[in-house]
Amino acid sequence: RKEVEQDPGPFNVPEGATVAFNCTYSNSASQSFFWYRQDCRKEPKLLMSVYSSGNEDGRFTAQLNRASQYISLLIRDSKLSDSATYLCVVNNREYGNKLVFGAGTILRVKS
Amino acid sequence: SAVISQKPSRDICQRGTSLTIQCQVDSQVTMMFWYRQQPGQSLTLIATANQGSEATYESGFVIDKFPISRPNLTFSTLTVSNMSPEDSSIYLCSVASGRRYNEQFFGPGTRLTVL
Repeated sequence: RKEVEQDPGPFNVPEGATVAFNCTYSNSASQSFFWYRQDCRKEPKLLMSVYSSGNEDGRFTAQLNRASQYISLLIRDSKLSDSATYLCVVNNREYGNKLVFGAGTILRVKS
Repeated sequence: SAVISQKPSRDICQRGTSLTIQCQVDSQVTMMFWYRQQPGQSLTLIATANQGSEATYESGFVIDKFPISRPNLTFSTLTVSNMSPEDSSIYLCSVASGRRYNEQFFGPGTRLTVL
């Protein structure tokens, strides 16, 4: 079983739609959680950290459920520029700040 | 956040040769890491580059194949030794520092093709 699992998609949505991605992680000792965005042929860029209380940044909302070992990302009012691969990432400080990446979920927003 | 550059941005190499990739940061950072992203795959951590001491390698990666240097807090190199076509990949460095040390920021990557 992979340590971080995501639905690879692709999710094809129209502009303006709301879309949600889910991610599960297997290591209950994981302590930090992130969503990264990766555009084609580019490096991953940190989209947002995910806090236990949930957090929101504009059109993006991230939530964490430690009991179920589940992380989500909600994108409201999708834009064409949101098209990218979204990587779910967890960190376990027991292993020296090592990040473990999910395989990514592809989002395509169409006009 | 820190500005991270990598050289070269891409290269095409012959099997059996070695390539050294440089990662330069515009400010001192606590931690530097090297990742590999194979075609169609997600990122895999190769090693943590430790300043002034040997790198810490992940399972499946060894120093003889991927020697790493980190002479100071702004610079690191990764060498891919005795290359084979299976080493064709994107190699990325990342950095973490300060109070938000668990957030990592990535360089633009080096796209390597081995013939």
